[in-house]
Amino acid sequence: GQNIDQPTEMTATEGAIVQINCTYQTSGFNGLFWYQQHAGEAPTFLSYNVLDGLEEKGRFSSFLSRSKGYSYLLLKELQMKDSASYLCAVKDSNYQLIWGAGTKLIIKP
Amino acid sequence: EPEVTQTPSHQVTQMGQEVILRCVPISNHLYFYWYRQILGQKVEFLVSFYNNEISEKSEIFDDQFSVERPDGSNFTLKIRSTKLEDSAMYFCASRPGASDSSYEQYFGPGTRLTVT
Repeated sequence: GQNIDQPTEMTATEGAIVQINCTYQTSGFNGLFWYQQHAGEAPTFLSYNVLDGLEEKGRFSSFLSRSKGYSYLLLKELQMKDSASYLCAVKDSNYQLIWGAGTKLIIKP
Repeated sequence: EPEVTQTPSHQVTQMGQEVILRCVPISNHLYFYWYRQILGQKVEFLVSFYNNEISEKSEIFDDQFSVERPDGSNFTLKIRSTKLEDSAMYFCASRPGASDSSYEQYFGPGTRLTVT
């Protein structure tokens, strides 16, 4: 079966750094995505990794290790508006996006 | 900035009724998608559409579901006979390009479907 695991919930402090991990087991791999979703809203794209390594985009970075079936999203200089769910999604061999359940990130002042 | 739009924002229907959810993808995009998200659960892929035909569909997308691009701008999802378990947020998404290099999918705001 296809499986994407990420922690259910994490808490961090404003101004700090947080790392959200994602492990996956899918039928094929054609890229890994991170999306942000505020409650009641649509997912918005954060990052895409298809090759191993780190992709940096402002305060957000995403890392991929295909051999380990592992990715993380790193958020720096946390702001209150970063409180949201962070969704890991993998594009499988059929180019379908398989989604994790999301990690709810709570930012405290 | 161009965006994907969806109507209605909220649809309430009785079990067994047909519903049509509407989406207007970004105008120069070529790939279109429907996803659903049951409240508190993960996003689930339903179907992808390219070149006026379904390219992929999930197990969820059974004979009760159909998609159409009737006029070159709208992209619709029809559920023929709704069930209580169809209650969910339905997201439409689109992406540009004919190759997978244009990877980012742009999501619409969603339609909340409530089946009573």
